[in-house]
Amino acid sequence: DTAVSQTPKYLVTQMGNDKSIKCEQNLGHDTMYWYKQDSKKFLKIMFSYNNKELIINETVPNRFSPKSPDKAHLNLHINSLELGDSAVYFCASSHGEREQYFGPGTRLTVT
Amino acid sequence: QKEVEQDPGPLSVPEGAIVSLNCTYSNSAFQYFMWYRQYSRKGPELLMYTYSSGNKEDGRFTAQVDKSSKYISLFIRDSQPSDSATYLCAPYTGTASKLTFGTGTRLQVTL
Repeated sequence: DTAVSQTPKYLVTQMGNDKSIKCEQNLGHDTMYWYKQDSKKFLKIMFSYNNKELIINETVPNRFSPKSPDKAHLNLHINSLELGDSAVYFCASSHGEREQYFGPGTRLTVT
Repeated sequence: QKEVEQDPGPLSVPEGAIVSLNCTYSNSAFQYFMWYRQYSRKGPELLMYTYSSGNKEDGRFTAQVDKSSKYISLFIRDSQPSDSATYLCAPYTGTASKLTFGTGTRLQVTL
């Protein structure tokens, strides 16, 4: 039933590890996004994909690599995790850019 | 200067009060003005949006935009404890681009 789902919900890992977060939407939207929300609750876009094609790539370290196997999925892989990567990562989807629907978030803690 | 500024709060009001939440922005190209609500440990959800200057009402919520002063407001009438959340404004240019979120204002409605 969930419109935008993310797994895992919580992720605790050590510095230097590689981890992935998965996102799926069942709304039939053509655009998907990854956002990072830091400890001060500032929500900043990282990437967006339209029909599996990367259209926005903000100033994000290249340790972060999004992958979109199909329109309904957008995964985020992070290499060599650092303490500063600790945040909540939100996936979102939309038809057009305005009305974006967000997932529940993945709380990443790097120790 | 950030592109979008919001007072982070917290703003604490008694139940039944009229609440005014505000944003200022610097980019005169913004045409659409979105308001998102984010409950604690949840993803943001779209509350409403307006196009250009003027007012828009949806139940107890009214969004107001003054493009001449680059000022956006969200009014909540008859506030309820269930309105306790963080409210994020997110203006948008209307072309293929990203939403720019404010830092959000945390609202607490007390019994």
